[in-house]
Amino acid sequence: KNQVEQSPQSLIILEGKNCTLQCNYTVSPFSNLRWYKQDTGRGPVSLTIMTFSENTKSNGRYTATLDADTKQSSLHITASQLSDSASYICVVSEGSARQLTFGSGTQLTVLP
Amino acid sequence: DADVTQTPRNRITKTGKRIMLECSQTKGHDRMYWYRQDPGLGLRLIYYSFDVKDINKGEISDGYSVSRQAQAKFSLSLESAIPNQTALYFCATSDPKLASTDTQYFGPGTRLTVL
Repeated sequence: KNQVEQSPQSLIILEGKNCTLQCNYTVSPFSNLRWYKQDTGRGPVSLTIMTFSENTKSNGRYTATLDADTKQSSLHITASQLSDSASYICVVSEGSARQLTFGSGTQLTVLP
Repeated sequence: DADVTQTPRNRITKTGKRIMLECSQTKGHDRMYWYRQDPGLGLRLIYYSFDVKDINKGEISDGYSVSRQAQAKFSLSLESAIPNQTALYFCATSDPKLASTDTQYFGPGTRLTVL
């Protein structure tokens, strides 16, 4: 069964600090991996997407990495802001792109 | 999010009642999806539709049905609601012309409580 596991489940950091969120997956065959940000009470919004051949993708202060060999991805947030407080969800697409597997998310809280 | 709207945003109902959740989009996307989100779990796919004539069951379709009334509208029905269908429900759309990435755009969600 395809699975996506994220760690940590929750994280609290101070404003201005950096943090890294982890995603491990067993989805096969692999098509692509996305990171979504979900603010409380809202739907997820796409941050980055990476295909098999991409190792790194940046979107402002967000940088995602992908190691397709070890089936691991990370999302690094630089110089965190209060508005970064949200759930970050890793989503892996199976080869046909019809099947998505969602991680349960990492709840990030940024404190002033 | 304004391109994908869901109604109602919140609903409380009783066991056994029939409930319909509606989703409309102005993005012009052919593909639409219904998910549910439960605390501590990832989003799970209920149904998806790749065009008006194409409807497919997802991972957890039992107890649910859908109707794709038009390209822009995709409704989710709970024929006889039960308490374990209490969850946050999301509608999403995607553009098949970008099939290699197929990024999904989510609505704001409907919080459903079944008593």
